[in-house]
Amino acid sequence: GENVEQHPSTLSVQEGDSAVIKCTYSDSASNYFPWYKQELGKRPQLIIDIRSNVGEKKDQRIAVTLNKTAKHFSLHITETQPEDSAVYFCAASIVQFYFGTGTSLTVIP
Amino acid sequence: EAGVAQSPRYKIIEKRQSVAFWCNPISGHATLYWYQQILGQGPKLLIQFQNNGVVDDSQLPKDRFSAERLKGVDSTLKIQPAKLEDSAVYLCASRIPGRGSGNTIYFGEGSWLTVV
Repeated sequence: GENVEQHPSTLSVQEGDSAVIKCTYSDSASNYFPWYKQELGKRPQLIIDIRSNVGEKKDQRIAVTLNKTAKHFSLHITETQPEDSAVYFCAASIVQFYFGTGTSLTVIP
Repeated sequence: EAGVAQSPRYKIIEKRQSVAFWCNPISGHATLYWYQQILGQGPKLLIQFQNNGVVDDSQLPKDRFSAERLKGVDSTLKIQPAKLEDSAVYLCASRIPGRGSGNTIYFGEGSWLTVV
């Protein structure tokens, strides 16, 4: 089955700085890559996604890039704010969704 | 639109007892998933249903876990007997199968299980 690795496991940034979270996947057939944000005690919520026929997607301060050849994709958050503090999960999907182990992001005011 | 509903939100049981969780997916979502999320880890798929049929239950510990979706809508996940290592959040998720925005899965708030 698919294996998704996510780095780093924890990340602290100053407010206003950028944050980057990276994931790699093993199955070249995976064609959909969503990112979820999970606040403490809450459900994971989709923040951005990308399909395998697209290399980059941006939504305001959030962007995702995909390198199919290298089988890795990254989440970029610019101008971070304290409310961005949460755990972020990447996932790779063909039919099932395989999740990374999560990155705990702390934005320091 | 209404989200994925789960109950109970919290449950504390002793080891070797049984517990059942209920999930009502978003209306019209044919695909339903149960995930186990242990603290500090990503969600791990337990079982996937397409309507009332099982698509993937390869990671479901079948000696103690069971799940059903008899009418293709609501689903229940049962654990019997529970072990300490079953302490986790059980997340139900659903989606419309297919391309476009239908590829997105939507999670419920989760059922928090503590086994003591």
